[in-house]
Formats: sequence, structure tokens, C-alpha cells
Amino acid sequence: EIVLTQSPGTLSLSPGERATLSCRASQSVSSSYLAWYQRKPGQAPRLLIYGASSRATGIPDRFSGSGSGTDFTLTISRLEPEDFAVYYCQQYGSSPITFGQGTRLEIK
Amino acid sequence: QVQLQESGPGLVKPSQTLSLTCTVSGGSISSGGYYWSWIRQHPGKGLEWIGYISYSGSTYYNPSLKSRFTISVDTSKNQFSLKLSSVTAADTAVYYCARCGYIFNWFDPWGQGTLVTVSS
Repeated sequence: EIVLTQSPGTLSLSPGERATLSCRASQSVSSSYLAWYQRKPGQAPRLLIYGASSRATGIPDRFSGSGSGTDFTLTISRLEPEDFAVYYCQQYGSSPITFGQGTRLEIK
Repeated sequence: QVQLQESGPGLVKPSQTLSLTCTVSGGSISSGGYYWSWIRQHPGKGLEWIGYISYSGSTYYNPSLKSRFTISVDTSKNQFSLKLSSVTAADTAVYYCARCGYIFNWFDPWGQGTLVTVSS
């Protein structure tokens, strides 16, 4: 199965700063079938990005995804207070579907 | 807008069967085009896909997990369910239900998740 490794484990930034989250796959992710999710305490996880770079419906354009093969990035251009949460990547190009362990984005 | 909500006991004894239900609102499971999924997250760990089911009852499970899971669907109630037999403390986790597409298996939307603790 494809193992997804997210880095850093925790990212401490201030509102207004740029956040760069990494997701590295143990083997190539077929057709860039990679998604990103945001999870806040007590809330359902929310789909942000699919197909490595397509924003889901209603997602602000400060969120962007990029990458291919084994290296993928989620970028939040200017952090808003509501963006501090845990972020997960997920690959759906190979069975079984797998997720990364998450990056916690916290307020500095 | 489709919404999902998990329900079930929060505490299960070791060796018993864990049973959870996901109720879908704002849309019909029978309309097709989607798989209805279960995902779990152990405390302090990442997310783990368990499996999914189609409206017609076709199931697909994570082959990396032992075959103690059973997913079923009740289209008349617009619900799908998860059963996990012979639970141990290692099955303590937050269990989520979610929807994904037939071809592109990203998950959207998700339920809020329900914590299940296995303890005597």
C-alpha cells in the first residue's frame, strides 16, 4: 500500500503568513489522485482539494494544491484565524485508499 | 446538501460486536453514483479507510485490515451500517462515515465522527 508521510507534524504560524504543508508518497500516486482535508475539533473533516490541485466547492482561493508523482503540497497563501486546524492528505489512485498522519497548523 | 450522521454506542466490551449506523439526509443513497464509506482514526494516529458499499450492496474492504468488518446498506431507511466483530482495545477509535465517488474516491461529505471505546 502507498504510505503517505506529511511534514511537518506541527506548523506554528501567525495569521497573515503563508503555510506550506507537504505530503510525500512511498510510491507514485496514479494520475495525481490526491486529496487534502481540513479537520477542526468537533467538526466533520472538510474536503479542500482533489486531483492534487482542484479546489472543492466553496473552498477559498487562498487554498491551493500542487504536485505530482510522489511529492504534493498544500499552500495557504494568507492564513486566516479559521484556518488553524489539522490537515490530512489522502491518495485514491491505488488500493487501499490511504491517508497521511496529518499536519497540525497552530497559531504562533 | 447531503449530510451524514453516525450513531451507535460509545462503549463496547471486549469480544463483543461494534455496530454503527450512518444516516444520510439531503439526498438518497438509492440515487447511485456514490460509495458510502467508513473510516476510522485511532487516538493520536492517522485516518484509516475501512471500506465502502454501493447502493446495490456491493462492498469493498481495505485488504490491509483483518476481515472482521461488515458493511451493509438499508436504502429504505437511507442508512448504511458498520459491524466489527470480536473487538479489542485496539479498535478504540473515532469512526467516521463519508461519501465518495465511484471513480474518484475522494470523500465528501463526512459525518462528524463518533468515538467508540472498547473497555470492560
